[in-house]
Order: sequence, then structure tokens, then C-alpha cells
Amino acid sequence: RKEVEQDPGPFNVPEGATVAFNCTYSNSASQSFFWYRQDCRKEPKLLMSVYSSGNEDGRFTAQLNRASQYISLLIRDSKLSDSATYLCVVGEYGNKLVFGAGTILRVKS
Amino acid sequence: GAVVSQHPSWVICKSGTSVKIECRSLDFQATTMFWYRQFPKQSLMLMATSNEGSKATYEQGVEKDKFLINHASLTLSTLTVTSAHPEDSSFYICSAPTNYGYTFGSGTRLTVV
Repeated sequence: RKEVEQDPGPFNVPEGATVAFNCTYSNSASQSFFWYRQDCRKEPKLLMSVYSSGNEDGRFTAQLNRASQYISLLIRDSKLSDSATYLCVVGEYGNKLVFGAGTILRVKS
Repeated sequence: GAVVSQHPSWVICKSGTSVKIECRSLDFQATTMFWYRQFPKQSLMLMATSNEGSKATYEQGVEKDKFLINHASLTLSTLTVTSAHPEDSSFYICSAPTNYGYTFGSGTRLTVV
């Protein structure tokens, strides 16, 4: 079983749509949680950290359910520029990051 | 914010040669540097963790004699792929934990022909 699992997609959505990504992780001792965005052939960039209380940053909302070991990302009012691969990332002891394989989002006009 | 400069961005080399990838922290001291590898359509996989002044820690299945890591100063960590083969062709990227979170280098795309 992979440590961090994501639906690879691709998710093809029209501009303005709302789209949700899910992720599960296997290590119950994981300490921190993130969503990163990766554009083709580029380095990952932090989109947002994820907290148990849930957090929102503009059109992006992230949720964490520690009991279910489940993380989600909701994108509202999708823009063309949101097209990318979204990586679910879990931080473990010793600052180690474990990456999911990513979910591809394609926003079309 | 913290910046990690990674070079080269891309490299093509012949099978059997060695390639060195550098990651420099430009405005902070990186006591730790993580080295990842990403194959197409796969996740970033941690290869090793380098710590300034000590031996690197390699993840299971990563050959330490093939992927040489040096972290001799607080601003420079290097990964050398020795005797590269086509199956080593991949995207290699470094990352350092900072006060602002994790900062990544821009990655190196290695193609071995």
C-alpha cells in the first residue's frame, strides 16, 4: 500500500467549476499535512498547509480528518491557471516529506 | 524568503559517465538537504537526507555508492550520479526545511543516453 494515495485523474473541468481532490495516508503518526502544486517539469510549490480545523485561502479550502487519515482540497471557481498537478504531502518525523503521486487538473474554457 | 538554487537545470550524458548536481542555499544556512527523484507520472521519492558535516542517510533501495551525496558546507549540498545508466534518467530535486517551510530547488532533468 502506498504511504500517500491520490486519485491520479485527470480531472477535466470547465472554468468556474468546483472540484474536489481527496487523499489518504497510511502513517497515523504523521505530523503535518500539505497540498503542493506542481506544474509540468517544475518544482513543487506549496499551495497550503492543512489543519484539523480546516483552512481556507481564497478559492482553496483544505480539510484534514486524522481519524480517517484523509485529506481533501476543494477549489472553487476554477481558473485556467489552476491547471496543474496537485500533490498531497505528509510530513513525518525528522522533517521527512512523503509525496502522493499527484492528481492532474485540467481547467478548460 | 529562503531560496535554493539548483544546477544544472537539465543535463544529457552518455551512459557510464558521472553527473554532479548542486544545490546551494542562497540566503540561509541549510543544515539538512533532502534529495528526491521523480519518474514520469510518479510521486517524488525521497532518495537520501544529507546533513552538513556528517554522512548522508539513504532510503531503502537507494545505492549509496551510486548516488554520492556531499554536504560539506551549510550552503552547498551535491548529488553525484556515478556511472549513470539510462534507467537513472529522471527528475532530481533537492529541498531544505527552513523557517518558512520547505524550499525546493528548481530540479534537474537528467537524461542518460
